[in-house]
Amino acid sequence: LAKTTQPISMDSYEGQEVNITCSHNNIATNDYITWYQQFPSQGPRFIIQGYKTKVTNEVASLFIPADRKSSTLSLPRVSLSDTAVYYCLVGASGGGADGLTFGKGTHLIIQP
Amino acid sequence: NAGVMQNPRHLVRRRGQEARLRCSPMKGHSHVYWYRQLPEEGLKFMVYLQKENIIDESGMPKERFSAEFPKEGPSILRIQQVVRGDSAAYFCASSPEAGGTDTQYFGPGTRLTVL
Repeated sequence: LAKTTQPISMDSYEGQEVNITCSHNNIATNDYITWYQQFPSQGPRFIIQGYKTKVTNEVASLFIPADRKSSTLSLPRVSLSDTAVYYCLVGASGGGADGLTFGKGTHLIIQP
Repeated sequence: NAGVMQNPRHLVRRRGQEARLRCSPMKGHSHVYWYRQLPEEGLKFMVYLQKENIIDESGMPKERFSAEFPKEGPSILRIQQVVRGDSAAYFCASSPEAGGTDTQYFGPGTRLTVL
């Protein structure tokens, strides 16, 4: 799996938009970009996945430039409950059989 | 539809004892993955199993660790003769087929503390 680099930590305030960027310079042609969220004492939870351009769901948006060497997770109007660790992963979607490779993630802290 | 179940949630063992961690996948899922997470670290893949088969154990330590997923019952991660360095959170994930990056569903984890 391609290696990813993301900030170790970020701070923001309730109601703000938060953007977390991930670098993946060695992404392969068939790799997808996936973000997971992990709260303390819980397992990771899938947030969003994309291949190129922009993907949006009820939780977040994912922006991927044309060269796909980076991606940005955007969380609109964050609340205190969005405080968590966010992981960026790069790899096969659907039928791949590999175990997932998690980096250290980004610790996002939301303040009142 | 219940999610991935893991038990116990917390397990305390003394050095040299055995630890058994259980994982019941989501209904209809026949693929199980085990991960270990040390404090302030991301999850590290350990082993991937299907019913009665170990598919990939490239992340498993060569000694003391073993895993199984029998035809009936939960998947078991077994750690023999535990040492303090085994203290970590162990997560299980399941998927309905060979899971890629978007189809693994994680359990709440078992926190192992070795005294």
